[in-house]
Amino acid sequence: AQTVTQSQPEMSVQEAETVTLSCTYDTSENNYYLFWYKQPPSRQMILVIRQEAYKQQNATENRFSVNFQKAAKSFSLKISDSQLGDTAMYFCAFMKHGGTYKYIFGTGTRLKVLA
Amino acid sequence: DSGVTQTPKHLITATGQRVTLRCSPRSGDLSVYWYQQSLDQGLQFLIQYYNGEERAKGNILERFSAQQFPDLHSELNLSSLELGDSALYFCASSVVGGQGGETQYFGPGTRLLVL
Repeated sequence: AQTVTQSQPEMSVQEAETVTLSCTYDTSENNYYLFWYKQPPSRQMILVIRQEAYKQQNATENRFSVNFQKAAKSFSLKISDSQLGDTAMYFCAFMKHGGTYKYIFGTGTRLKVLA
Repeated sequence: DSGVTQTPKHLITATGQRVTLRCSPRSGDLSVYWYQQSLDQGLQFLIQYYNGEERAKGNILERFSAQQFPDLHSELNLSSLELGDSALYFCASSVVGGQGGETQYFGPGTRLLVL
């Protein structure tokens, strides 16, 4: 069975600085997908970024980028130029290609951006 | 706005009661997923429906059931409610059947409080 681990329950960062959130996963699958979702105080789940395991190039979305290390089964999220609106819970999720397409979520990292 | 709608937004009820949560997926999405998020926890997959048929089950209690109707909206029925069922219940939808790695789009959630 697949598992997703987020080892940092809470983090903080100064506004305009860079922060990296960690995520590791365990799987025997070769084809899969990884996601980062943001959950602000409103509790809405918002997709931040997605990575296909077969792609070597790291995904980037504006200020958000990932460092995907397939051999190490690591999928960290880097937030550059942090903004107050980035304050949220961040969840890493794994999805196996094929089958049910269900997500397996990590337990989340609570990020607070300080003014 | 993800395009996924959930009603009601809030629900307060008593132990032993039964409630129904409703979800309308994004236009064109055939698959609906239900997740439960207890206080300060990650999201736990409950059940998936695809085009009206149950596709996968996760950690769903026998007291809970779901269905997807011909118009693709879905309902999650929770019965014999217990205090521990208090949680945020999310519905998500995706296309499924595409090239894989189907991104799930989440509704705003229904916050259930059992007293």
